[in-house]
Amino acid sequence: SQQGEEDPQALSIQEGENATMNCSYKTSINNLQWYRQNSGRGLVHLILIRSNEREKHSGRLRVTLDTSKKSSSLLITASRAADTASYFCATVFGTASKLTFGTGTRLQVML
Amino acid sequence: SQTIHQWPATLVQPVGSPLSLECTVEGTSNPNLYWYRQAAGRGLQLLFYSIGIDQISSEVPQNLSASRPQDRQFILSSKKLLLSDSGFYLCAWSPPSTYEQYFGPGTRLTVT
Repeated sequence: SQQGEEDPQALSIQEGENATMNCSYKTSINNLQWYRQNSGRGLVHLILIRSNEREKHSGRLRVTLDTSKKSSSLLITASRAADTASYFCATVFGTASKLTFGTGTRLQVML
Repeated sequence: SQTIHQWPATLVQPVGSPLSLECTVEGTSNPNLYWYRQAAGRGLQLLFYSIGIDQISSEVPQNLSASRPQDRQFILSSKKLLLSDSGFYLCAWSPPSTYEQYFGPGTRLTVT
């Protein structure tokens, strides 16, 4: 399967702390994306990193990509209660327009 | 700006009944369109995607089908629902030749 795997499956932190979640995948990719899903809602695109990029920032988000290890990490700095959600990585192989999603990390940020 | 609509938001259907879920996109033309299913606490499984009218690809063999009667309309159907069809169905779109996808609010389907 080309599906990515997120680690950890669940993460609970205090507000203000940093949250790191990891994603591993199995084959060469064109790009990797991270999405957020609030409970019972649709997914929201957060950030896209291309296979020739190693790091990308967007606000409090930092994404890294290591194609040699076939892994990516998402760092949320100074977390807030509103960051509580599930986070999914998704990969694109070749030039196809399809995404292959990982299993997700459930993040809970406590006040 | 672009918006995506899905309906209904929730649906409870008996086993063996038909299904029709609708997704429409506004504010864009010739979008790529996608149907996903998400089981409780799990990731998303791609069911169908379409890069144009009459161009629909099926990813998973099942008793579901998809149609694209108009450029910005994507419909997911079944003639006879199974218990295993229960789940959260998400429609998404992306602009042509780009990779980011934008999701609708989803339909929660319970087959009883």
